Amino acid sequence: DVKVTQSSRYLVKRTGEKVFLECVQDMDHENMFWYRQDPGLGLRLIYFSYDVKMKEKGDIPEGYSVSREKKERFSLILESASTNQTSMYLCASCVSGSGPYNEQFFGPGTRLTVL
Amino acid sequence: AQSVTQLDSHVSVSEGTPVLLRCNYSSSYSPSLFWYVQHPNKGLQLLLKYTSAATLVKGINGFEAEFKKSETSFHLTKPSAHMSDAAEYFCVVSGGGANNLFFGTGTRLTVIP
Repeated sequence: DVKVTQSSRYLVKRTGEKVFLECVQDMDHENMFWYRQDPGLGLRLIYFSYDVKMKEKGDIPEGYSVSREKKERFSLILESASTNQTSMYLCASCVSGSGPYNEQFFGPGTRLTVL
Repeated sequence: AQSVTQLDSHVSVSEGTPVLLRCNYSSSYSPSLFWYVQHPNKGLQLLLKYTSAATLVKGINGFEAEFKKSETSFHLTKPSAHMSDAAEYFCVVSGGGANNLFFGTGTRLTVIP
């Protein structure tokens, strides 16, 4: 079974703190993704990576950065957390190169609260 | 451009009755379409996907969806709801690659005992 794990299920941080969200997948997938999920808005793509050290901006990259130093690990960084970044963060991964039919496999999510 | 519209934000059914969750899509390409389910405090799990092999797609847990190109729809159905089906469901269209998924805003399904 594909497994995508996220370092924390719940996280509470203060405004201005630097926040790291970690994601690890065990299926040797090339592509990894970070989404945020907000009620009534569905999932919105923050960043994705198609290879080690490679990254692409998604729809809402402002206020976030990412790091992919190893194939299995993709980190989301909030340089200076703000209250409007309170959300559920979901990591996903998938293989590449097989066209549009690949499914993405999701982690359980990290619910981040910024006070 | 690709987009998805889930026509109901909340659907409530009685246990044992049919489920219908509606989804309309817009796509510049021949679309790939998915339904994902999210149980409370869990990640998303793939229910089924349309890959152009057959217009009626069967998924896990008794769910199925029918691709109707003329109506640009991909509605999710199940003949008989179970309490464990209570969750949020997302319709998703691919923008031409796995890197490019467009999610609907979700439909929350409530099952009444």
